[in-house]
Formats: sequence, structure tokens, C-alpha cells
Amino acid sequence: AQKITQTQPGMFVQEKEAVTLDCTYDTSDQSYGLFWYKQPSSGEMIFLIYQGSYDEQNATEGRYSLNFQKARKSANLVISASQLGDSAMYFCAMREGFNFGNEKLTFGTGTRLTIIP
Amino acid sequence: DSGVTQTPKHLITATGQRVTLRCSPRSGDLSVYWYQQSLDQGLQFLIQYYNGEERAKGNILERFSAQQFPDLHSELNLSSLELGDSALYFCASSASGTSGRKTQYFGPGTRLLVL
Repeated sequence: AQKITQTQPGMFVQEKEAVTLDCTYDTSDQSYGLFWYKQPSSGEMIFLIYQGSYDEQNATEGRYSLNFQKARKSANLVISASQLGDSAMYFCAMREGFNFGNEKLTFGTGTRLTIIP
Repeated sequence: DSGVTQTPKHLITATGQRVTLRCSPRSGDLSVYWYQQSLDQGLQFLIQYYNGEERAKGNILERFSAQQFPDLHSELNLSSLELGDSALYFCASSASGTSGRKTQYFGPGTRLLVL
């Protein structure tokens, strides 16, 4: 089974609208972390936001927020007031367990977001 | 700018050749990770080093090897290159500790093209 599933290969959103990018995960660990990264066309991977499995509040970082629903194993990224510069690939990733030697990130297949002026 | 540097940015080589990719982690980070991003396999974890020692191994081919030096920079060696090794290779680094909040910061990547 896929550990990280991103079901939206591509999305088109009007500038200034909010957008939700879906991510579901599969793990039997109680301790895990969820990350979102942005990859613009230039190729670099930019860290956006983190949510820990024990965090009671949804994470927020500026215009980014994470809608964390633990029981449903979903960690959707919400971008408010989208901008043209938000056009990029977005990857959801998970780290299972918080021990040394168990720190690799498992990535989803990504969602290509295009913001329309 | 993440603070992680990778050289070279681009590399074009022929099948059967050997190349070395270099990574310098963020100041103070002891962990270095290597990932491969290809069209057919997506983003995959290859290997992790912590303070000079191999910590975890992922889907890394036997033709590939890595090391982390005392100054904490890391090198990924790819040998007997095949067309399918063409990919974007990322290095990432993170702070030490067992906190799950340890974020991995990625370098700009090395784009390898094997002809």
C-alpha cells in the first residue's frame, strides 16, 4: 500500500482564491511527522510546514495551514489567498517514528498547482 | 536559500562512467540525506549519514555509494552509470536529536543526465 497518497495530479485555481491540496497517509506508528514541500519549476525543494502526530493544534505558517485529521489519516495543505508564485509541484511527506536511523522521508507523487491570473 | 549547497548543478555523462556529487549541509547539521527524483520512481530516499557514520539505507543501488567526511560534507558516488540513472539528486540536512520536528532542508539538487 502507498504510504503517502496524493490523489490530485494537477489543480488549476484562480488567483486570490484558497486552495486545498489533499494528502492521506498510512502508518501503524503512533509517532510520525508530516511535511509539505514546494518544488517550483527551478527544481529546488522548499519546506513549507510540519505537523507532528501528537500536535493537538493544526500547524500554520503564514498563508499555509495544515488540516490534520488524525482519525482519517489525512494531512491536507491549505493555501489561503493564492498568488501566481504559488504555481509549483507540492509534495506531502512522512517520517515514521522519531528514533535515530528511522528518519527518512517518504514522499507522495505530488500535485501540480497552477494559479490562473 | 536553505543553506545546503550541492555541486555541480548539472552533470552530463555517458553510460558506464562514474561521477561524484558533493553536498555541504547547513551549518551545525550533523545529518545528511540523499534522495533521487526521477520521472518513473518519484522522490526516493537513498541513504543517510550522521556525523560521519551511515545511519540508514533506502533504495540505493550497489553501484552507488556515499560517505560523509569529518568536515560533515558528503559525497554520493555513482558508478557504471546507466540511462535510467538520469535523475535529480538531492541532498538534505537536518539538526541532530530525536524530535520529530527535525525538518530536512534540501539543497538545490544536481541534475544528472546519462547519455
